[in-house]
Amino acid sequence: AQSVTQLGSHVSVSEGALVLLRCNYSSSVPPYLFWYVQYPNQGLQLLLKYTSAATLVKGINGFEAEFKKSETSFHLTKPSAHMSDAAEYFCAVIINDYKLSFGAGTTVTVRA
Amino acid sequence: NAGVTQTPKFRVLKTGQSMTLLCAQDMNHEYMYWYRQDPGMGLRLIHYSVGEGTTAKGEVPDGYNVSRLKKQNFLLGLESAAPSQTSVYFCASSYSAGPYEQYFGPGTRLTVT
Repeated sequence: AQSVTQLGSHVSVSEGALVLLRCNYSSSVPPYLFWYVQYPNQGLQLLLKYTSAATLVKGINGFEAEFKKSETSFHLTKPSAHMSDAAEYFCAVIINDYKLSFGAGTTVTVRA
Repeated sequence: NAGVTQTPKFRVLKTGQSMTLLCAQDMNHEYMYWYRQDPGMGLRLIHYSVGEGTTAKGEVPDGYNVSRLKKQNFLLGLESAAPSQTSVYFCASSYSAGPYEQYFGPGTRLTVT
């Protein structure tokens, strides 16, 4: 079964510093990969998705992710953190059907 | 467009009580989903529907039932609530299968005492 693993349940960064959230997937076939963000007391919102068109995917709010097949990874980055980036981030995968399988999530806190 | 809406936003139940959560979407999406979110476990799929009149089991379906009588609505029922069903429930919808974005509602926080 396909799955995703997010390394690190909590990440703390300083405002202006690089944000790096790690996601690895298990699959023998090319997957569809997603990053969602959840702000406090809200639903999930799509940040970006990989659908095999390009390995470097740009999303909203300055985030981007790179698909690396050799490493089975889809890490999320943002060059400069902003206070408004404090949220929980979920990596998710779809393979061969339409059901999303989510990672456990990474909570990001941003220090002033 | 309201997108995906959920009713109610909060609910407290006693063990053994029943309730229905309502999800509505105004995007004419074929696919709808119910997830539960628990700390440290991400979101897990309870049931889903690929069109009006159809439903299917997801990852954690036990103790829940669903119905999709109208395309825009997807109901999640708890016949006899248990404390293990204390969670935040999210509804989502998507246009189709594959790489299509799932749009999420704001969630329902359910506590079973």
